[in-house]
Order: sequence, then C-alpha cells, then structure tokens
Amino acid sequence: EAQVTQNPRYLITVTGKKLTVTCSQNMNHEYMSWYRQDPGLGLRQIYYSMNVEVTDKGDVPEGYKVSRKEKRNFPLILESPSPNQTSLYFCASSPIRGLAGGPSPNEQYFGPGTRLTVT
Amino acid sequence: DAKTTQPPSMDCAEGRAANLPCNHSTISGNEYVYWYRQIHSQGPQYIIHGLKNNETNEMASLIITEDRKSSTLILPHATLRDTAVYYCIVSYSNTGNQFYFGTGTSLTVIP
Repeated sequence: EAQVTQNPRYLITVTGKKLTVTCSQNMNHEYMSWYRQDPGLGLRQIYYSMNVEVTDKGDVPEGYKVSRKEKRNFPLILESPSPNQTSLYFCASSPIRGLAGGPSPNEQYFGPGTRLTVT
Repeated sequence: DAKTTQPPSMDCAEGRAANLPCNHSTISGNEYVYWYRQIHSQGPQYIIHGLKNNETNEMASLIITEDRKSSTLILPHATLRDTAVYYCIVSYSNTGNQFYFGTGTSLTVIP
C-alpha cells in the first residue's frame, strides 16, 4: 500500500531532550516536506527537500533540523525541544512533475501526524 | 507571496452542491492552485489542482477565473463525510516548492 508513515504518533517529552520524528514513504517520491499545525495558525511548512541531500527552509525552520540521506526517509530533528514546539506535525511527500515554470511538486501525500508535547 | 484568502466557515445541505471560494489575487503566471481537505486531525488529503483551465475529477470540480485571481472548489453532491476543513493553496517560492496552507474553510454538511 502506498503510504507515508511517521513515528512516533504521540510523544511527550521534556524541554531540552533531543528527539527525532521519523518519516518514510514507499512511493519513490522526490519531494518531502514537514509541516506543523497549531490552532488558529493552520499548517505551516518547516522544511522541505527536493531530493536526496537537497533541503531548504520553509516558513518556520527555527529549532528544527532535517536530513535527506535516502530518498524514502526524511527525519525531523529537534535538538533542544522547547514548549513552543508543542504541536501536531505532518510529513508529506510528492512526485516532481514537469509543470509550467519548471519541475515542481504536485499532489502531496500526507502522513497520519505526530502529536508532540514538550513540557 | 501568493497567499490565499478563504472564508473561515460555511454550511451546506446534504445532497446540494458545496461551492468553496478562494481569493489568490497575487498569484503569478506559473503558480498552480491546489485544494486539500483535512478531516478532524488526520493528514490533509489532496483533492484537485489547476493552472488556468477548469478541472474536474472524481472528487470535485475546480473553477478558476480568467484573471486567475480567484477560484471555486465545487463538491457537486455534498455528503456528511465531506464535512472537513478545506485548504486552497498556491505554491509561493520562486521555484514553486513552498506551500502556505493558511487556516482554510471549515465546511459543515448539514443533514
């Protein structure tokens, strides 16, 4: 089954304790992205990656790191989590298609979400 | 930045067409309009996208105005399962690889 998986689905941690949220897709998509969702703010993009070893900042990258060593995996790393990073996190992947203006991600497939609480 | 503006909420009677508007007045020539929906706190689900022409698939129709400054997503026969938050999105970086989802329109389908 084509899917995007995230682990863990729920995580409660303490301020300053490094954590990694994993994201994996089995659709051979080039594009992957991380979003966070907070009440009243919608989904905001944290980082995205166009392909292996290519990553770029989104709207809200502060306090996060990512890596793309393999095409299927795109982990989100919080080196020193803080309470303001308490949020619902989504990973997404997309094929790159030749659209007007050049190759671009097309429809994004989202994972089930990771609910993170930092105390 | 090609951001979007949507009404925060709408109601629609079950079985009727739901028409969800979106303004994207700063959209540039090569930017696509995408629609997604999110049911409760599940991952958003892709619905449809378009550039200039109207588009239709098994889920919905997308009507884009000739000047591309606004669009309407049409769910032809809304069901209770269509109750969700609907996001209208345009990509906004120079490379078209960044996406701003905003807060969307909360659609409630009423029996």
